[in-house]
Amino acid sequence: DQQVKQNSPSLSVQEGRISILNCDYTNSMFDYFLWYKKYPAEGPTFLISISSIKDKNEDGRFTVFLNKSAKHLSLHIVPSQPGDSAVYFCAATLGFKTIFGAGTRLFVKA
Amino acid sequence: EAGVAQSPRYKIIEKRQSVAFWCNPISGHATLYWYQQILGQGPKLLIQFQNNGVVDDSQLPKDRFSAERLKGVDSTLKIQPAKLEDSAVYLCASSLIGGSGRAGGNTIYFGEGSWLTVV
Repeated sequence: DQQVKQNSPSLSVQEGRISILNCDYTNSMFDYFLWYKKYPAEGPTFLISISSIKDKNEDGRFTVFLNKSAKHLSLHIVPSQPGDSAVYFCAATLGFKTIFGAGTRLFVKA
Repeated sequence: EAGVAQSPRYKIIEKRQSVAFWCNPISGHATLYWYQQILGQGPKLLIQFQNNGVVDDSQLPKDRFSAERLKGVDSTLKIQPAKLEDSAVYLCASSLIGGSGRAGGNTIYFGEGSWLTVV
């Protein structure tokens, strides 16, 4: 039962352009949504989150958009940098439980 | 501030053998998590502790996996006997409260992971 889905396993973007990573969910009761970033041989690190009552949250080059009617969220990275190349996990929380998507590998080409 | 510490980083064992992973969470974090991440998949929660009590172990294969968190600090995860499909990265994580996702206190912090290969 995949409640959080990241349908694109990988994404390739040119340095300086926008990266858009997408995530869909099925449970309308999720209260928070998060993005984590993971480099090889390291654990995931928290990047940005958004409450289910908001539709946008911005932190520097990173912006998360939430469309509750479509049960969809996206992470925008502008401008993309080679150091952003990593696996990005979307996650959703319901009370004390956090559920992760399968991840999208982002390649930022110099 | 020291992060979540895990050991060993890498382990190769034969099927039917046993293995144990150790985790030391960030100081002061009440909630400790063990996740299993199989290649190409997202982290899957195995067990979640609040202090030294179990909050959620619904996805822990209890016939072969066990975990404990003595004194509400360090934790160990044991697999006995191991199967080939247990090959994965075992991620320990901690948070201040319980993972409601708010940036700051309830953010989940992960260790670097323990890579298990069962042959």
